[in-house]
Amino acid sequence: AQSVTQLDSQVPVFEEAPVELRCNYSSSVSVYLFWYVQYPNQGLQLLLKYLSGSTLVKGINGFEAEFNKSQTSFHLRKPSVHISDTAEYFCAVSDRRGGADGLTFGKGTHLIIQP
Amino acid sequence: ETGVTQTPRHLVMGMTNKKSLKCEQHLGHNAMYWYKQSAKKPLELMFVYNFKEQTENNSVPSRFSPECPNSSHLFLHLHTLQPEDSALYLCASSQGKVAGAGEQYFGPGTRLTVT
Repeated sequence: AQSVTQLDSQVPVFEEAPVELRCNYSSSVSVYLFWYVQYPNQGLQLLLKYLSGSTLVKGINGFEAEFNKSQTSFHLRKPSVHISDTAEYFCAVSDRRGGADGLTFGKGTHLIIQP
Repeated sequence: ETGVTQTPRHLVMGMTNKKSLKCEQHLGHNAMYWYKQSAKKPLELMFVYNFKEQTENNSVPSRFSPECPNSSHLFLHLHTLQPEDSALYLCASSQGKVAGAGEQYFGPGTRLTVT
């Protein structure tokens, strides 16, 4: 079984400031890691994913995340946020089984950008 | 139509009604999923279909009945629901060929209210 913890339910940040959204996971097997974003009244959109290789992953909209196996973390960062980044952000994992895998999600972090 | 579509976008039903949610993916994917998104809870995986075969039922009550007639369409049949079933129901699809490597593409969801 896997679980995902997003400790911060809300993160307020001033516009153009840097931001880090934290994600920790637990799993007895190797996992794939994802960050999704959900804008109001919309479905989820993939920001980035870690499958293997370089532990620093770059995604869309200037976001990046770093996989840290020893700390079982996959924190999301952006050096300078914009008002349009206001949304709900979800960290998710899936294990490396064969076939189609459902994702296990964290509770989400609401990123609030203040002007 | 592109991506993943869901109809209806909003649904209000009484506890004795029978209704169905529809999902269609236009991405040529082989796996489809139903998730439930409730307020203040993580997204919960409900069902997984891979090549039209149900591969996962995440202990979902029998008042929810999925149907996958082909790889492009997924239905969720609802009957005798409870108020606590009110939530956003999200459909997703993925390649389904390689474990976890293919990201899931989400539809906009159906906002269900049970009265």
